Amino acid sequence: KQEVTQIPAALSVPEGENLVLNCSFTDSAIYNLQWFRQDPGKGLTSLLLIQSSQREQTSGRLNASLDKSSGRSTLYIAASQPGDSATYLCAVRPISGGYNKLIFGAGTRLAVHP
Amino acid sequence: EAGVAQSPRYKIIEKRQSVAFWCNPISGHATLYWYQQILGQGPKLLIQFQNNGVVDDSQLPKDRFSAERLKGVDSTLKIQPAKLEDSAVYLCASSPDRQTPGELFFGEGSRLTVL
Repeated sequence: KQEVTQIPAALSVPEGENLVLNCSFTDSAIYNLQWFRQDPGKGLTSLLLIQSSQREQTSGRLNASLDKSSGRSTLYIAASQPGDSATYLCAVRPISGGYNKLIFGAGTRLAVHP
Repeated sequence: EAGVAQSPRYKIIEKRQSVAFWCNPISGHATLYWYQQILGQGPKLLIQFQNNGVVDDSQLPKDRFSAERLKGVDSTLKIQPAKLEDSAVYLCASSPDRQTPGELFFGEGSRLTVL
């Protein structure tokens, strides 16, 4: 059974720091991995999607890497800003067990203070 | 392009009462999902529709939860009777393509509090 774990559960940093959020998954048989952002009281906004054949994806100050064989992904946020404060969720699409089914981690709650 | 619409945004009920949530997916999206997100946890899939057929409902508590997607567009999720542990945010999502696993687009969710 696929399980997704995110470390740390919460993180508080001063503005300007570079951050690394970690995601691990137990079964490497995945189509892809997706990082989401969730603001309080809001739905999920997709940040980056990495296909299983890819090693990384970049969007602005965000860079996500994928090491499928070791079951790990990292989300790197450069030069963090207070507007980055949110919960970041990692989700994998397993190859078996249901089409286009996402398995989520519990998230990392990020607070960036001025 | 309009996003996934959900209503109501907030609902407070007492245990043993019933509640219904509505979702309108992005136009043209064939696949629709209902997720349950309990506070402090990641979302968990309850049910997945492909057009108006159920693809996966293995984690739907069928003794109290039901969902339908009439005409392959809008969907309704119902809980009857509600329990305290049903307090959560119910997220609806849709995706456009069945040929390859693609991105899901989420609505803002319906927050349920059961007292």
